[in-house]
Amino acid sequence: NAGVTQTPKFQVLKTGQSMTLQCAQDMNHEYMSWYRQDPGMGLRLIHYSVGAGITDQGEVPNGYNVSRSTTEDFPLRLLSAAPSQTSVYFCASTASGSTHEQYFGPGTRLTVT
Amino acid sequence: AQSVAQPEDQVNVAEGNPLTVKCTYSVSGNPYLFWYVQYPNRGLQFLLKYITGDNLVKGSYGFEAEFNKSQTSFHLKKPSALVSDSALYFCAVRDISGTYKYIFGTGTRLKVLA
Repeated sequence: NAGVTQTPKFQVLKTGQSMTLQCAQDMNHEYMSWYRQDPGMGLRLIHYSVGAGITDQGEVPNGYNVSRSTTEDFPLRLLSAAPSQTSVYFCASTASGSTHEQYFGPGTRLTVT
Repeated sequence: AQSVAQPEDQVNVAEGNPLTVKCTYSVSGNPYLFWYVQYPNRGLQFLLKYITGDNLVKGSYGFEAEFNKSQTSFHLKKPSALVSDSALYFCAVRDISGTYKYIFGTGTRLKVLA
């Protein structure tokens, strides 16, 4: 199993550009989520999904869109990049059930200039 | 609202000494608590969890955590620190309302000195 994969590893965008961060998991996990990690802020939840076709907002959803057309994939779209979106982005997945831990991808380091 | 606090930004400990990384939580109902570790330029890795049962939970790499309901704490411990334990540690609580949301603390950087 590859676990949770994310692409790209690094990305530099100019203000106003759009892009999609890819996330895929091969563990048949129902629950997937996107976090951003900023110094001193820990991990903050952007969006999450409890299954294909179902998404919901987390703590910091503004400026981001998600969709979940398959169980495996959960892409994160930046609509119009802003310098405040410079961060490290992590995707995670969890098996259904309340006691399971999350599995994290390796992250995408995004810089918006 | 549920929350997690890690009061120390950094903990320094000498190799071979016991270590403690603190975590307190605020939840309604019974908490589901987790510890994760992040090595440089890597994603988070699961260490251990408390769901129910014994208050002392054992996890990966010799780590353990003690759940204390009266003090609403879930401190991470290890009897003898290794230099390789140096990393960023996150405490997290699982939202019990059925939304599958996890709330993370701000992280504590552990530095083990040789």
